[in-house]
Amino acid sequence: AQKVTQAQTEISVVEKEDVTLDCVYETRDTTYYLFWYKQPPSGELVFLIRRNSFDEQNEISGRYSWNFQKSTSSFNFTITASQVVDSAVYFCALSESGGTYKYIFGTGTRLKVLA
Amino acid sequence: GAGVSQTPSNKVTEKGKYVELRCDPISGHTALYWYRQSLGQGPEFLIYFQGTGAADDSGLPNDRFFAVRPEGSVSTLKIQRTERGDSAVYLCASRLGLMNTEAFFGQGTRLTVV
Repeated sequence: AQKVTQAQTEISVVEKEDVTLDCVYETRDTTYYLFWYKQPPSGELVFLIRRNSFDEQNEISGRYSWNFQKSTSSFNFTITASQVVDSAVYFCALSESGGTYKYIFGTGTRLKVLA
Repeated sequence: GAGVSQTPSNKVTEKGKYVELRCDPISGHTALYWYRQSLGQGPEFLIYFQGTGAADDSGLPNDRFFAVRPEGSVSTLKIQRTERGDSAVYLCASRLGLMNTEAFFGQGTRLTVV
């Protein structure tokens, strides 16, 4: 069965600190897709990144970086030099190939960046 | 439109009443999803449309829930005989075609059943 676990319910950091959000997934498929979304207080889920299971290259986008490790079924997200505007709930999601491509979401991690 | 639009943004209804929630996806997006998000939880899948047909409704909790997408664009989620446990944020998302590109979400409809 598919499952996504985000063990960190809430994290608080002081502005400019680095922070890593953990995501562990379970799937029996050999081809699957992983996503991170940000949900600010407005409620809309904002797409951050998509990663295919056959591409284990890490990715950096500005202050954001992602570490995908199939060996540990993890897809962690790091924010470098955090800012108050990064405060939000972050969701990791899994989608299997074929069929509907529906998402299985984790329970989210609430990040609070304090000034 | 530029993004996924959901109306109303908030809906308060009395237990037992019927409600309709509307989703207007991004123009040209053939795939449309409804999710439900309870407080402190991640969104949970309800139903998926590819074009006009419901290709997967396995997430609908019971037969009080129904959704349509008659012209392959706007979708309506319908809930009959609402219960307090139906209170949640209902999110709509659309995606371009069959490829596993990312889905784009609306801001959701917060449904409160009193």
